[in-house]
Amino acid sequence: GQNIDQPTEMTATEGAIVQINCTYQTSGFNGLFWYQQHAGEAPTFLSYNVLDGLEEKGRFSSFLSRSKGYSYLLLKELQMKDSASYLCSGGYQKVTFGTGTKLQVIP
Amino acid sequence: DAGITQSPRYKITETGRQVTLMCHQTWSHSYMFWYRQDLGHGLRLIYYSAAADITDKGEVPDGYVVYRSKTENVPLSLESATRSQTSVYFCASSVGEEVPSEFFGPGTRLTVL
Repeated sequence: GQNIDQPTEMTATEGAIVQINCTYQTSGFNGLFWYQQHAGEAPTFLSYNVLDGLEEKGRFSSFLSRSKGYSYLLLKELQMKDSASYLCSGGYQKVTFGTGTKLQVIP
Repeated sequence: DAGITQSPRYKITETGRQVTLMCHQTWSHSYMFWYRQDLGHGLRLIYYSAAADITDKGEVPDGYVVYRSKTENVPLSLESATRSQTSVYFCASSVGEEVPSEFFGPGTRLTVL
């Protein structure tokens, strides 16, 4: 089975850097995935990690440590539009999602 | 327009009624998924399909039926709706196995009275 935990809420300042953590306990793990979801909208795929290390994609980076069951999403140069929920998920086909971290970016 | 669409976007029904939610994608992606999203639970997988005529249960399949006869369509049926099935339903698709749900549809908000 899989269990994914992430903080419920976070607040950060515009222009700053924020790190959203995700821990997981899983069997049949194939990858760790991050999504962004604005209120009232569908999730949007951001990134995935299969191997340990950091994957960078513009202002967003994602890190994975399989031995520690740990991942984080790093958002740089925060913008107001980054206010959203960030969903961590893992598994293979039968993926499990965390409940999401609601990020509020303040001026 | 190309992409993944869901219909209807909003549906109100009564307990015991049969309901079908539709999902259509124009990319010919092999993998398609149905999720429900509820406060406090996040996204939960109902069913997924690796190809036409191939489906498998997810985390919360009870009360739902999925039969995918064509690559581009995957209907989700509620045989006899219950109030606990009030939720937002998302369909998703992906090209391959690497990313299980790469593209999401806009969602259907279902209310069961």
